[in-house]
Amino acid sequence: QKEVEQNSGPLSVPEGAIASLNCTYSDRGSQSFFWYRQYSGKSPELIMSIYSNGDKEDGRFTAQLNKASQYVSLLIRDSQPSDSATYLCAGPLRGSNYKLTFGKGTLLTVNP
Amino acid sequence: DGGITQSPKYLFRKEGQNVTLSCEQNLNHDAMYWYRQDPGQGLRLIYYSQIVNDFQKGDIAEGYSVSREKKESFPLTVTSAQKNPTAFYLCASSIFQGSSGNTIYFGEGSWLTVV
Repeated sequence: QKEVEQNSGPLSVPEGAIASLNCTYSDRGSQSFFWYRQYSGKSPELIMSIYSNGDKEDGRFTAQLNKASQYVSLLIRDSQPSDSATYLCAGPLRGSNYKLTFGKGTLLTVNP
Repeated sequence: DGGITQSPKYLFRKEGQNVTLSCEQNLNHDAMYWYRQDPGQGLRLIYYSQIVNDFQKGDIAEGYSVSREKKESFPLTVTSAQKNPTAFYLCASSIFQGSSGNTIYFGEGSWLTVV
């Protein structure tokens, strides 16, 4: 089993809708998780980090961490066409403080 | 501006040639990384370095070499032993912040094509 998995996608939502992106992880000891946005042909850009159980909001973005169920999600409210990108979930590699393991990403398309 | 600078942005390599990708950061981060991304694929770790003069292999180190002589710099050499080097190469650096974890930031990337 991969340490971080993103199984959903690609995802297509209409403009103004809520986009929900999900990620599961296998290491119960993992403490912190990250969401990156990657536009086609560009490098990943950090958009959210979360390390406490519950929700963390930043503008239109909300990251959710559920340690009991071992999943992390990212909600994008009022989705815009400019949100169309691949979203990568990342978490610490088991036994390492320095290495992150990345999911394969979920391609989100927001239709005008 | 603080950040991670990769150069060149585009590079073409002939068969049997070694090429070096540059990565410089002025964020005062201790750790630096090299990832490879193939079209439609996830990120794969090539090498990483936690401190100066020390580095470790990642998942796909064969055919690559690195050095870390200065905190700011972590160049990657793609050797002729790397049989399929065409990919998008990403340099990154990070700062470990205890319970907040290890936050990794990426440079803009370098596209390497074998011709």
